[in-house]
Amino acid sequence: DQQVKQNSPSLSVQEGRISILNCDYTNSMFDYFLWYKKYPAEGPTFLISISSIKDKNEDGRFTVFLNKSAKHLSLHIVPSQPGDSAVYFCGGAGSYQLTFGKGTKLSVIP
Amino acid sequence: DAGVIQSPRHEVTEMGQEVTLRCKPISGHNSLFWYRQTMMRGLELLIYFNNNVPIDDSGMPEDRFSAKMPNASFSTLKIQPSEPRDSAVYFCASSWGPSGGKVTQYFGPGTRLTVL
Repeated sequence: DQQVKQNSPSLSVQEGRISILNCDYTNSMFDYFLWYKKYPAEGPTFLISISSIKDKNEDGRFTVFLNKSAKHLSLHIVPSQPGDSAVYFCGGAGSYQLTFGKGTKLSVIP
Repeated sequence: DAGVIQSPRHEVTEMGQEVTLRCKPISGHNSLFWYRQTMMRGLELLIYFNNNVPIDDSGMPEDRFSAKMPNASFSTLKIQPSEPRDSAVYFCASSWGPSGGKVTQYFGPGTRLTVL
């Protein structure tokens, strides 16, 4: 039973345009949601998070939106840059642990 | 700080052999996590330690897997005997804070395990 689902394995976007990565979850007990970014041959790194009591959190070019009624999370990157090309993992935080989706590979084309 | 250190970075072994993966968390962190990444299952939590004590090992796939944390600066994940389906990238992560520092975890570079 996948508690966090990223239904798009990959996404290609032109440099300068908006990248939108989507995530759905089933566990209503998550109190934080987050995105991690992973480059090849490196471990994932924390990117941005949002509390379950909020619907938007912004950090520079990165904005995360939370729709609790739809159990849906999205990450917007504006403008997209070639250095953003990576695998992005969506996750939910329970009592002490993170549950991740399978990841979406973003390719930003120059 | 050097970050989370994992060794070896790559391991190739034959089915049936014992494999030991090592992790040195960031100094001062009180939580340590072992994850496994595969194409089929993505990034899944295997075991979680808090203050060197295993809190949740429900993600450990079977008895062939075991993990220890003898002190705050070292942990091992052992697979005995190894099988081809264990081939994956294994990550160690550490964090600090209440609730195990659950949101911001610092990952090591991973160990790519190939079991032939």
